[in-house]
Amino acid sequence: SQKIEQNSEALNIQEGKTATLTCNYTNYSPAYLQWYRQDPGRGPVFLLLIRENEKEKRKERLKVTFDTTLKQSLFHITASQPADSATYLCVRLAGSSNTGKLIFGQGTTLQVKP
Amino acid sequence: EAGVAQSPRYKIIEKRQSVAFWCNPISGHATLYWYQQILGQGPKLLIQFQNNGVVDDSQLPKDRFSAERLKGVDSTLKIQPAKLEDSAVYLCASSSRQGRGDTQYFGPGTRLTVL
Repeated sequence: SQKIEQNSEALNIQEGKTATLTCNYTNYSPAYLQWYRQDPGRGPVFLLLIRENEKEKRKERLKVTFDTTLKQSLFHITASQPADSATYLCVRLAGSSNTGKLIFGQGTTLQVKP
Repeated sequence: EAGVAQSPRYKIIEKRQSVAFWCNPISGHATLYWYQQILGQGPKLLIQFQNNGVVDDSQLPKDRFSAERLKGVDSTLKIQPAKLEDSAVYLCASSSRQGRGDTQYFGPGTRLTVL
């Protein structure tokens, strides 16, 4: 089965440091991975998409990598701020789906302390 | 542009009762999704509509869950009868088209507690 695995333990870091979240997937590589942010009591919000032929993608203080050999994506937040505290979800396209069906990881909660 | 609207935001019911959730997607979005998110887990797709047709309902417990999207706009998700394990947040999302790479926009969700 296709799975997305994220570290279920919360990540606690100091403001100003770089946060690195890990996402591992099983079976064949998806055409792309997405990262979403979810705040308590709210729905997920799309952050970034990285395709299998892209090694790295950046958006402001965010950086995502995609390693098809390791079957892993890393999500980095540089110069982290308390406002970055949230749960971050790694998402893959389901198999050969042409309907855009997504499979979500369980998410990793990031806590940035001032 | 207005986001995805959902109601109610919270619902508490007894087991074996019925409940319905409503979703209004972003205007013009053809694809609508219902997800179930159990505490500590990621969202799980229950059903996907393209306009008013069902594209994927493989993970919908059809003996108790039903959904419809009349006229290809609003949608309702119903649970009848509810079980304790149905306690979760029910998220509605929409996207402008169906397919690979399209961004999904989520509503705030409805938190259901079944006692």
